[in-house]
Amino acid sequence: DVKVTQSSRYLVKRTGEKVFLECVQDMDHENMFWYRQDPGLGLRLIYFSYDVKMKEKGDIPEGYSVSREKKERFSLILESASTNQTSMYLCASSRHGPLRGYGYTFGSGTRLTVV
Amino acid sequence: AQTVTQSQPEMSVQEAETVTLSCTYDTSESDYYLFWYKQPPSRQMILVIRQEAYKQQNATENRFSVNFQKAAKSFSLKISDSQLGDAAMYFCAYMGGATNKLIFGTGTLLAVQP
Repeated sequence: DVKVTQSSRYLVKRTGEKVFLECVQDMDHENMFWYRQDPGLGLRLIYFSYDVKMKEKGDIPEGYSVSREKKERFSLILESASTNQTSMYLCASSRHGPLRGYGYTFGSGTRLTVV
Repeated sequence: AQTVTQSQPEMSVQEAETVTLSCTYDTSESDYYLFWYKQPPSRQMILVIRQEAYKQQNATENRFSVNFQKAAKSFSLKISDSQLGDAAMYFCAYMGGATNKLIFGTGTLLAVQP
C-alpha cells in the first residue's frame, strides 16, 4: 500500500524552538507539498517542491522553510516556533505532468501545539 | 487568482438519505481538474471523486456523484444512501491545467444521523 508518512502525529513545542516536521513518501512522486489546516480556513499551501533541492513558496510561507535533499523526503522547518503556528500540518505528494490530475496522496497530519 | 468556495460549514443527513454538498470556484482557465476529498476523524485525507473540466459527463464513484456545471463554475457532491461512515469533513479542491497546486475550499462538516 502506497504511503505518505509523517513522523509525528502530535507535537508540543515551546515558543522560540526550532521545529522539524518530516514527511516521507514511497511512491516515487516528483511533487511534495506542505499544507496548514485551520478551522474555517481550509488547507493553505505553505511550500512545495517539484524536484530534489527545488522549492517554491506557497500562499503562507512566512515563518517556515523547507528542505528536500532526497526525492522521498520533504521537511518543514519552523525556524523559531510561535503560538500562531499552532495548527494541523499536512504533507502530500503527487505525480508531475498529466498524472497530476489524479490528485494528491496525503499523510495523516501532525498536530503541532506551540506553548 | 483562483478561489474555491464552500458555503455550507456544516450539513446533516439521515442515514440512507441523500445529501448534496455545494462548491463553487472562480477561474479564468479552461483546462483544470476538480476534486472532492473526505477527511474523517482519523485525519487521513481520502480522494472521493475527481472531474476533468474538458469532460462534460459527470463523474460517479459508487454512491458518490458530482454535478459539474462548467459555465456556472459549480461542482457539487451528491452522496446517496448515506452511511454512518460518511460522516467527515469534505473539501472541494481545484487544480489549474498548468499547475500542480491544489486550492482548497474551507470544508463542509457532514454529520450522519442514525
